Amino acid sequence: AQKVTQAQTEISVVEKEDVTLDCVYETRDTTYYLFWYKQPPSGELVFLIRRNSFDEQNEISGRYSWNFQKSTSSFNFTITASQVVDSAVYFCALSEHSVIQGAQKLVFGQGTRLTINP
Amino acid sequence: DTEVTQTPKHLVMGMTNKKSLKCEQHMGHRAMYWYKQKAKKPPELMFVYSYEKLSINESVPSRFSPECPNSSLLNLHLHALQPEDSALYLCASSQEGGREQPQHFGDGTRLSIL
Repeated sequence: AQKVTQAQTEISVVEKEDVTLDCVYETRDTTYYLFWYKQPPSGELVFLIRRNSFDEQNEISGRYSWNFQKSTSSFNFTITASQVVDSAVYFCALSEHSVIQGAQKLVFGQGTRLTINP
Repeated sequence: DTEVTQTPKHLVMGMTNKKSLKCEQHMGHRAMYWYKQKAKKPPELMFVYSYEKLSINESVPSRFSPECPNSSLLNLHLHALQPEDSALYLCASSQEGGREQPQHFGDGTRLSIL
């Protein structure tokens, strides 16, 4: 069975601190896709990044960076110099293999609530 | 602004009412999804439509009835709901439902059942 674990339920830091959100996954698939989504208080889930299993390059986008390590089945997310606007719930998700064509199923972690204090 | 539009943003209804949630996207996506999200929980998949046909029903009670009139629209018809159905209902779309494609979500409808 596929599973995503975000062990950190809540994190609170002071603005400008760096913070890392952990994501550990389990899958038997050799090809798989991982995603990070941000959910601000307004409700919508905002897509941040996709990583496929055969590309282990780390990714940086502005203050955001992602570290994908197949050896430890982890896909961690770091925010550098955090800002109050980064406060949100962050979900890590794994795209599940489905025998039904054209129907993607995401396995979500429980989410990490990040609070950035001024 | 999100590219997936959901209406209404808030809905309060009694257990005997009939109402509908609407979702619209104009990105040319051919897969659309309904999720239910309770407080402090991740979204739970309810239905998936692919090319306007129902592909997945995650054993959702029949008081929830989805409809996909065309490739841009997705409705969720509600009837005789229970208080435990109070939640945030999210709509999402993706290009064709492939595993590699990110889903794009709307702001959701916050539903309260009295």
